[in-house]
Amino acid sequence: QKEVEQDPGPLSVPEGAIVSLNCTYSNSAFQYFMWYRQYSRKGPELLMYTYSSGNKEDGRFTAQVDKSSKYISLFIRDSQPSDSATYLCAMLPGGAQKLVFGQGTRLTINP
Amino acid sequence: NAGVTQTPKFQVLKTGQSMTLQCAQDMNHNSMYWYRQDPGMGLRLIYYSASEGTTDKGEVPNGYNVSRLNKREFSLRLESAAPSQTSVYFCASTPEVGGHTIYFGEGSWLTVV
Repeated sequence: QKEVEQDPGPLSVPEGAIVSLNCTYSNSAFQYFMWYRQYSRKGPELLMYTYSSGNKEDGRFTAQVDKSSKYISLFIRDSQPSDSATYLCAMLPGGAQKLVFGQGTRLTINP
Repeated sequence: NAGVTQTPKFQVLKTGQSMTLQCAQDMNHNSMYWYRQDPGMGLRLIYYSASEGTTDKGEVPNGYNVSRLNKREFSLRLESAAPSQTSVYFCASTPEVGGHTIYFGEGSWLTVV
C-alpha cells in the first residue's frame, strides 16, 4: 500500500463548477500537507500548504486537512479553463524528511 | 529569475548509451533532488543531496548515478540506458531537506529506444 493515495482521474467538469480533489494517507506522522499544480509539459509548482489539521483559503482555492480520517482535500470554486492541470498532493513528516507525493489528478475545465 | 534550470529538455537515446542530465539552481539552496515522473506513478525520488558533498538514494536509484558538483549543480547520469528509463525527469531544490516548498525545474523528456 502506498503511503499517499490519489485518484488519478481524469476529471472533467464544466466551467464554473466546484471541484473537489482528494488524497488519503496512511502515515500518521505527516504534519505538512501541500498541493502542487502542474501544467502540461511544465514542472510542478506549489499551490497551497497546510500545517496539521484545519482549513486554509486562498482566493478560489481551499485546502482542508482531516488528520483523524487521514484525508485531505482541495476545493476549487468558480473553476476556470486556466485551472486545467494535474494536481498533486504531497505530504511531509516533521523533521528532515523528504516529501511524499500522490500520483496526481488530471483536471480539465471545459468552457 | 531562473530558479532551477535543467538541460537537455528532450533527448532520445539508444539502449545501452549513456548520458548526463544537468541541473543548476540559483536560489542558494542546500538540498537538491532528482525525480522521475511516469503515468500513474506520480513523482518518484531517484537521488537527493541534502547538502554540498553528500548524496543519498531515494526510492528508485537503480540504473542511475549522481554528482553534486558544487552547491549550485546536481547532475544525474544514466550509464547504460534501458527502455524502462523512458520518463520525464525533474530536478528540484529546497533550502534544506524537510522544506515543504520544493522548487522544480521544467523537466527533461527522455526516450530510450
